[in-house]
Amino acid sequence: EAGVAQSPRYKIIEKRQSVAFWCNPISGHATLYWYQQILGQGPKLLIQFQNNGVVDDSQLPKDRFSAERLKGVDSTLKIQPAKLEDSAVYLCASSLTHPGDTQYFGPGTRLTVL
Amino acid sequence: DQQVKQNSPSLSVQEGRISILNCDYTNSMFDYFLWYKKYPAEGPTFLISISSIKDKNEDGRFTVFLNKSAKHLSLHIVPSQPGDSAVYFCAANAGESYGKLTFGQGTILTVHP
Repeated sequence: EAGVAQSPRYKIIEKRQSVAFWCNPISGHATLYWYQQILGQGPKLLIQFQNNGVVDDSQLPKDRFSAERLKGVDSTLKIQPAKLEDSAVYLCASSLTHPGDTQYFGPGTRLTVL
Repeated sequence: DQQVKQNSPSLSVQEGRISILNCDYTNSMFDYFLWYKKYPAEGPTFLISISSIKDKNEDGRFTVFLNKSAKHLSLHIVPSQPGDSAVYFCAANAGESYGKLTFGQGTILTVHP
């Protein structure tokens, strides 16, 4: 069974530029999560989708971050404009049906903002 | 406000000995706890979990202990193997925010041959 796929794996941008990350969850997984992991910290949930609806986006900085999950499968996370403090690894995870099911993580996208 | 804390940034253990990783939490609403393991350049991988109705859960070499009164949990790995060298994250979930995991900062475990 294929795992959670993410691209790109690495991205370097200048501050104030825009960037987008893509995630393809495990086939059949209804719940999808985006986490931000700053160096030396644990992952922090940014947004949680159940199918194509948002369950929780309370920690998403909505002035610059946006996410969508069209058709309840793939998802994109966008940052516009980026700040230096956005440098982090962005992890996508998915779980089968219910939010309480085990979350499976992708390899992440390492973003460096210069 | 760090609701889940792993106060030891790193732990070094000899192969064959026991590794004990600790985690403390402050939110009394947390009722489900998980440990994830992370290798470099990979995403975290689920290891073991425990519900607040239990005080121990065992899976092979891995055992998680939960002390609700102390708001403390620990992961025991016996015997430790070099392949266990990784970053270990403790995570917690509250029933009413089902699926929203709060992670600790992680502990780097190094198992020496």
